[in-house]
Amino acid sequence: QQQVKQSPQSLIVQKGGISIINCAYENTAFDYFPWYQQFPGKGPALLIAIRPDVSEKKEGRFTISFNKSAKQFSLHIMDSQPGDSATYFCAAGLLTGNQFYFGTGTSLTVIP
Amino acid sequence: EAQVTQNPRYLITVTGKKLTVTCSQNMNHEYMSWYRQDPGLGLRQIYYSMNVEVTDKGDVPEGYKVSRKEKRNFPLILESPSPNQTSLYFCASSIDRDLNTEAFFGQGTRLTVV
Repeated sequence: QQQVKQSPQSLIVQKGGISIINCAYENTAFDYFPWYQQFPGKGPALLIAIRPDVSEKKEGRFTISFNKSAKQFSLHIMDSQPGDSATYFCAAGLLTGNQFYFGTGTSLTVIP
Repeated sequence: EAQVTQNPRYLITVTGKKLTVTCSQNMNHEYMSWYRQDPGLGLRQIYYSMNVEVTDKGDVPEGYKVSRKEKRNFPLILESPSPNQTSLYFCASSIDRDLNTEAFFGQGTRLTVV
């Protein structure tokens, strides 16, 4: 059973637009939800993360929205730029459990 | 510079020939883990280690071994590689599983088993 489902698989957005990537998780006990950004030829890098005690977290142009009752969370990239073109992974797990489950990734392309 | 170093970056091997992918971090992190990345499947955790001599299975441990004899090193061992282990492998480390602590990933090892 896939613990974290991510959509869409790929996304093309115009420069200046909003990119939205969605994830859904299975285990209601999960309490840590990070997003990672990966550029070609590089390892993933932590972008932003959220705990379920808040519904939204914003860092610059990146915002996580969290819906605990629906077991869903999403990444919003405001004013998307060509430099944001990368693969984005959501993940979920237990802070004390030491095992994390990743989504299948979203390839974002921001066109000028 | 804080980093996680994997070697080799690229490796082509034959079925059954034992191999080791090394991983080293210079941040004195306690927690280290290995992932494999496959198209359409994302990142899947193979093994993780909470500290020296403490390791545990992740989501897809079959066919892999690890060891943690020193804090900085966490090698991934494939005793008898098979073609279904062809993948992109990442090692990662973090101080611990705290929200305020960033997880650092290596640059990856692309393994091909023929």
